[in-house]
Amino acid sequence: EAGVTQFPSHSVIEKGQTVTLRCDPISGHDNLYWYRRVMGKEIKFLLHFVKESKQDESGMPNNRFLAERTGGTYSTLKVQPAELEDSGVYFCASSQALLAGGNNEQFFGPGTRLTVL
Amino acid sequence: GNSVTQMEGPVTLSEEAFLTINCTYTATGYPSLFWYVQYPGEGLQLLLKATKADDKGSNKGFEATYRKETTSFHLEKGSVQVSDSAVYFCALIGRTGFQKLVFGTGTRLLVSP
Repeated sequence: EAGVTQFPSHSVIEKGQTVTLRCDPISGHDNLYWYRRVMGKEIKFLLHFVKESKQDESGMPNNRFLAERTGGTYSTLKVQPAELEDSGVYFCASSQALLAGGNNEQFFGPGTRLTVL
Repeated sequence: GNSVTQMEGPVTLSEEAFLTINCTYTATGYPSLFWYVQYPGEGLQLLLKATKADDKGSNKGFEATYRKETTSFHLEKGSVQVSDSAVYFCALIGRTGFQKLVFGTGTRLLVSP
């Protein structure tokens, strides 16, 4: 079974440009999460999709970030326009349908390293 | 809000040494606790977890015990190997909300032969 995949693995862009990151979750996983690790700090939650709906987007830093999950399959995270402080590693994770009282394991992708110059 | 604090790295050890990476947490209620590991060039992998007080999670020789009284979840291994070199993240999921993980800053472990 294929794991969570992310594309690209690295991206280097200039300040003010636009970048789109893609995540393909494990097939059949309803839940998809985006996280970010900036400058060796803690990994921080960005948002959570259940199928195609945004369940929780409390971690999105500002309106330059737009996440979509059309059709409930893969997801994209667009940064427009990119700023220097957006540099970091963006992780995607997926999990199966949530069970009441359960803690479904989140499976992570390898991350996309974004560098904004 | 919920938060996780773990020891700064890097931790440098010789092969077969004993490992402890400290982790403490702040959370409302009783969260579930996790250790994730990131090997070079790979994504995060769940190493072990514990969902209630006094539970001990274990995997690949690593152990961590959920200590409610000290709000801690320290990671230990009796004899590390070079292949254990990685970044280790302590994390929690709160009892409220929708399963979002709250991570510590990560601790890099370097094991030399």
